[in-house]
Amino acid sequence: GESVGLHLPTLSVQEGDNSIINCAYSNSASDYFIWYKQESGKGPQFIIDIRSNMDKRQGQRVTVLLNKTVKHLSLQIAATQPGDSAVYFCADLPSGGYQKVTFGIGTKLQVIP
Amino acid sequence: GAVVSQHPSRVICKSGTSVKIECRSLDFQATTMFWYRQFPKQSLMLMATSNEGSKATYEQGVEKDKFLINHASLTLSTLTVTSAHPEDSSFYICSAEPRSSGNTDTQYFGPGTRLTVL
Repeated sequence: GESVGLHLPTLSVQEGDNSIINCAYSNSASDYFIWYKQESGKGPQFIIDIRSNMDKRQGQRVTVLLNKTVKHLSLQIAATQPGDSAVYFCADLPSGGYQKVTFGIGTKLQVIP
Repeated sequence: GAVVSQHPSRVICKSGTSVKIECRSLDFQATTMFWYRQFPKQSLMLMATSNEGSKATYEQGVEKDKFLINHASLTLSTLTVTSAHPEDSSFYICSAEPRSSGNTDTQYFGPGTRLTVL
């Protein structure tokens, strides 16, 4: 049968501007959060992670913010470049050591040159 | 960094045939590997967790006789789609967790395998 595809949320950003991609999670037991970048036809690529005992973590051009109160995660990309165009997934893992990752729906980032 | 490979990257087969997909961790040992399925414009859905030397753990709704998983060594897991049908056409992605991941809990993903069943 034919699968019904969901339409990924799309964020269009001008090159050089900052991008903010948001994600909500539902599992209160989630202890560890990861952002992945997936380019077309490729597997997910790790970008940045954050543990539940932190609110913010910075990497190179990327910042992840975690708000545990409202179960919200965001990825900020500074000075967005065309190479940043991809689908971005947030993922969360529960505490306890079992590494079962739950992926969010994903957001497609389109960078306008 | 840790590299995970998948083979083949793309396969087209006739309905009713079986297809084997390999997932290898190239520069690290992986006690646990994961198999995901991804439909166009959708997120990754975990199919099963593959543990070296033991039976795979399948997610609810995934037929274990349909999707055979073998984790024969610390660097290789295979997914065999048996008697494939057009609805099995999808993008299959594996990931591997380093044996000594310490505190990072990071999984490394393979590049994916595009399966098309005619």
